Amino acid sequence: KNEVEQSPQNLTAQEGEFITINCSYSVGISALHWLQQHPGGGIVSLFMLSSGKKKHGRLIATINIQEKHSSLHITASHPRDSAVYICAVSTGNQFYFGTGTSLTVIP
Amino acid sequence: KAGVTQTPRYLIKTRGQQVTLSCSPISGHRSVSWYQQTPGQGLQFLFEYFSETQRNKGNFPGRFSGRQFSNSRSEMNVSTLELGDSALYLCASSLLAGNNEQFFGPGTRLTVL
Repeated sequence: KNEVEQSPQNLTAQEGEFITINCSYSVGISALHWLQQHPGGGIVSLFMLSSGKKKHGRLIATINIQEKHSSLHITASHPRDSAVYICAVSTGNQFYFGTGTSLTVIP
Repeated sequence: KAGVTQTPRYLIKTRGQQVTLSCSPISGHRSVSWYQQTPGQGLQFLFEYFSETQRNKGNFPGRFSGRQFSNSRSEMNVSTLELGDSALYLCASSLLAGNNEQFFGPGTRLTVL
């Protein structure tokens, strides 16, 4: 049983395209996190949200608590956005992770 | 501010040995969490320490243990290593316990032969 499901698993886009990655979860959460992992392993936290919408530059994250669903959008994608994007949820005493979405942006 | 540091970055051990990994959090952060990442299982939560106390624990056997010191630095220990323990071990620090934004270290890649 996976507490967090992500889709798609793999995504290839042309530079400039609008990208959406989806995340569904099945547990009660305190917060949802979007993480970015580049080759070599380093993980960066992009967003932590518990309601509504957040925006950082070209990245937008939304969450619908009632539907237990979140989306990560990348506007005007760029090759440097190529990475694995991981959705994670915290319940207050546990962290659960999705399997990640591998994004490749082609110039 | 310096980021989260982990030592060593790479480690090779043999089955049955034990290993200790170290994590220094961002200055002022009191919570340290540990995670295991493998190709098969992805990222999994090991445990969280806050103010020298283990606050939460994931679903791992007792061979995996940890501790936190008064300066918030943390160590994790794996005893009686198995081949399946080969993984990237990541630690993350945050200001407070629980749901706070996690700042990740670069990880320690452990290979068990």
